[in-house]
Amino acid sequence: DTGVSQNPRHKITKRGQNVTFRCDPISEHNRLYWYRQTLGQGPEFLTYFQNEAQLEKSRLLSDRFSAERPKGSFSTLEIQRTEQGDSAMYLCASSVHRDGELFFGEGSRLTVL
Amino acid sequence: AQKVTQAQTEISVVEKEDVTLDCVYETRDTTYYLFWYKQPPSGELVFLIRRNSFDEQNEISGRYSWNFQKSTSSFNFTITASQVVDSAVYFCALVNNAGNMLTFGGGTRLMVKP
Repeated sequence: DTGVSQNPRHKITKRGQNVTFRCDPISEHNRLYWYRQTLGQGPEFLTYFQNEAQLEKSRLLSDRFSAERPKGSFSTLEIQRTEQGDSAMYLCASSVHRDGELFFGEGSRLTVL
Repeated sequence: AQKVTQAQTEISVVEKEDVTLDCVYETRDTTYYLFWYKQPPSGELVFLIRRNSFDEQNEISGRYSWNFQKSTSSFNFTITASQVVDSAVYFCALVNNAGNMLTFGGGTRLMVKP
């Protein structure tokens, strides 16, 4: 297994467009997380899935953001009507245990013009 | 509410120097876990260590060592004989026993010069 995979790695879009990011976790990991990281800051939690159930969402996840994990495997994060403030690195991570080590992907960098 | 503070935003050392990265945390929980992650220029966060709140033993792994002091709510990380490959951003993080959300500090950028 090659670890957590995210694509696209980079996305440049115009304000108002919709974007979607995909995350493929490590195959036996039932827990999947999305984080957002802006320049010079630590990652901030967005949402968490256990299998296909979205169990926790941050207040950072506005109505324009939606995440899914339809079959408990890969996950998508969609941002509708993007704003310049959405520009950030979107990180996906997976794990086996609740309080265990998270395995992160390399992230998807979004630039909104 | 949980909070992790890494007061050092940037540290620059010369190769072979020892360096300590500070981490101070706040939590109301009695059971929690502390982590250190490394983020090299490639962007992928790499797990370094996990420590639970009941285990205050210091840990050493090669050139890395961690000092957990519950009395001062600190979990500091020391790199001995630093190398250029240690250059990265290092994050301290915290999660409580019931939660699924890691709270990260702002990170410390370490630059090791040859």
